[in-house]
Amino acid sequence: KNEVEQSPQNLTAQEGEFITINCSYSVGISALHWLQQHPGGGIVSLFMLSSGKKKHGRLIATINIQEKHSSLHITASHPRDSAVYICAVHPWGTQGGSEKLVFGKGTKLTVNP
Amino acid sequence: DGGITQSPKYLFRKEGQNVTLSCEQNLNHDAMYWYRQDPGQGLRLIYYSQIVNDFQKGDIAEGYSVSREKKESFPLTVTSAQKNPTAFYLCASSIFRGEQFFGPGTRLTVL
Repeated sequence: KNEVEQSPQNLTAQEGEFITINCSYSVGISALHWLQQHPGGGIVSLFMLSSGKKKHGRLIATINIQEKHSSLHITASHPRDSAVYICAVHPWGTQGGSEKLVFGKGTKLTVNP
Repeated sequence: DGGITQSPKYLFRKEGQNVTLSCEQNLNHDAMYWYRQDPGQGLRLIYYSQIVNDFQKGDIAEGYSVSREKKESFPLTVTSAQKNPTAFYLCASSIFRGEQFFGPGTRLTVL
């Protein structure tokens, strides 16, 4: 079983819809990242969070440390939001922290006009 | 502009050849990372470096080598010992335990 699981694997939406992508993890972590990968392959960091909620434009990321779960929400989705969204965590190592990331397999989002 | 550059964008290798992928950053980050991405799989860590002249193996280091002679540069060599090197390679950098910034990637194909 992967340490980081994302759902759904694929998601198709109509422009304007509210979108939720979920991430569950099985290890203790110091932080969680949400990343966006466009078809060309480049990756952009959207959020890094360790508690609560962060908002940037139409994107909102939440995390529940006790439940080991995070969600990425996109409000008023647009075709340009079409990309692969990747969840990654910093697991705690035996030394009490780690700079290494463990990645989920990604959620492919397609937003149709 | 601050950022990370990778070159080349596309690279073709004959079996038995070593190839080197370039990664340069001008963000003044201490930490740099190399990841491999295969279809249907999450990114996997090959090597990382927290400081100049020091680097650590990641989860799939076999068949790869790196150097960190300068803070700005972290080249990755894919050796002939890597049995299945065709993949998309991503370099990243960060401050210690901070947000990682990714390069545009290099797509390596073995002919």
